[in-house]
Amino acid sequence: GAVVSQHPSWVICKSGTSVKIECRSLDFQATTMFWYRQFPKQSLMLMATSNEGSKATYEQGVEKDKFLINHASLTLSTLTVTSAHPEDSSFYICSARDIGLFSGANVLTFGAGSRLTVL
Amino acid sequence: DAKTTQPTSMDCAEGRAANLPCNHSTISGNEYVYWYRQIHSQGPQYIIHGLKNNETNEMASLIITEDRKSSTLILPHATLRDTAVYYCIVRANTGTASKLTFGTGTRLQVTL
Repeated sequence: GAVVSQHPSWVICKSGTSVKIECRSLDFQATTMFWYRQFPKQSLMLMATSNEGSKATYEQGVEKDKFLINHASLTLSTLTVTSAHPEDSSFYICSARDIGLFSGANVLTFGAGSRLTVL
Repeated sequence: DAKTTQPTSMDCAEGRAANLPCNHSTISGNEYVYWYRQIHSQGPQYIIHGLKNNETNEMASLIITEDRKSSTLILPHATLRDTAVYYCIVRANTGTASKLTFGTGTRLQVTL
């Protein structure tokens, strides 16, 4: 089945530094990937839609200059948290859809997530 | 997207069937019912989806009422590893990748 890999699975950084998280579709191509954020004991919140070869679409309230998204190939999207602060500490999860699976259905495959802790 | 309502939490004894309800009274004709689950500190996992007919796969069964205003996810023989938050999502199939919006879900605790 479709597999989405995220790296790193966890990262600790100092306040003010930038952190890059990678999301790869391992055995399928994804023109669109989605980035979610999840705070403790809360549900997933969609941050942005990553589009291969074009600009990402950000959800209301998400700062595009702080959360940089690059989708340079059909199998890789990256999320960079710039000038990270403790309030950016969260669980970041990406997802993608393998169009070959469940033809016509809106089934997303999710990565295992990346836990960011900003000190 | 149609809004869904789920109980906040449920308990189930291991080996018994877990029946998780979901209300979606404003569902429209072209919207499907999707179920995902999230085990602690992992990404969500797709379980099953359906439009109006009942569906079954190796993980679960999905029962959708005739008026489509509610559905039930059934895990026939729950195990401890089924402890997770279960999300019911209603979404139209657009033929292209489209985002999923997650509610608060049901926290299922499977106990010995």
